[in-house]
Amino acid sequence: AQTVTQSQPEMSVQEAETVTLSCTYDTSESDYYLFWYKQPPSRQMILVIRQEAYKQQNATENRFSVNFQKAAKSFSLKISDSQLGDAAMYFCAYRGNDMRFGAGTRLTVKP
Amino acid sequence: GAGVSQSPRYKVAKRGQDVALRCDPISGHVSLFWYQQALGQGPEFLTYFQNEAQLDKSGLPSDRFFAERPEGSVSTLKIQRTQQEDSAVYLCASSLAPAGRNTEAFFGQGTRLTVV
Repeated sequence: AQTVTQSQPEMSVQEAETVTLSCTYDTSESDYYLFWYKQPPSRQMILVIRQEAYKQQNATENRFSVNFQKAAKSFSLKISDSQLGDAAMYFCAYRGNDMRFGAGTRLTVKP
Repeated sequence: GAGVSQSPRYKVAKRGQDVALRCDPISGHVSLFWYQQALGQGPEFLTYFQNEAQLDKSGLPSDRFFAERPEGSVSTLKIQRTQQEDSAVYLCASSLAPAGRNTEAFFGQGTRLTVV
């Protein structure tokens, strides 16, 4: 089965600064997709950004961007100009024949 | 409906009791996933449906867990003879396309199960 690893249980960033959350995965599939989800205390999972594995270009959504290294099976999330509302749990997810999540990174934003 | 709806939002069960958790996916969504999320942890995959077919149930932790989606829409996760280690949030997600396609999975707000 595919595995997703997030090695940073907690991260902290100063408001307006940049932070990078790491994610690695293991798979033997060739066709898959990668996602970052945000989960605030309300428990509602919200999609932040997605990346198609066959695309070399890194996805970008406003202040959120990814660094996708397919050979290294690495998929990190960069949040620029961090805002207080970015504070949440962030989960990396792999979608192939099913969908698997990492253990999450709790992001704190300091004013 | 507008989103994925799960009921009940909260459930307290006595150890040994059977429980049934309901998920109403977004209308027309083919894929449906169930996850178990312990406090402070990531969602752990339980099972996956494509329409009414349960294609993967490898994550179900024991034969006390059973899921169904008989008409390819509403799904029920049933836990028999609940135990304290079953206490968790159970998340349901649906997506428009089958697995392996690039479509967002939409999540419900989960059912928090507490076994006492």
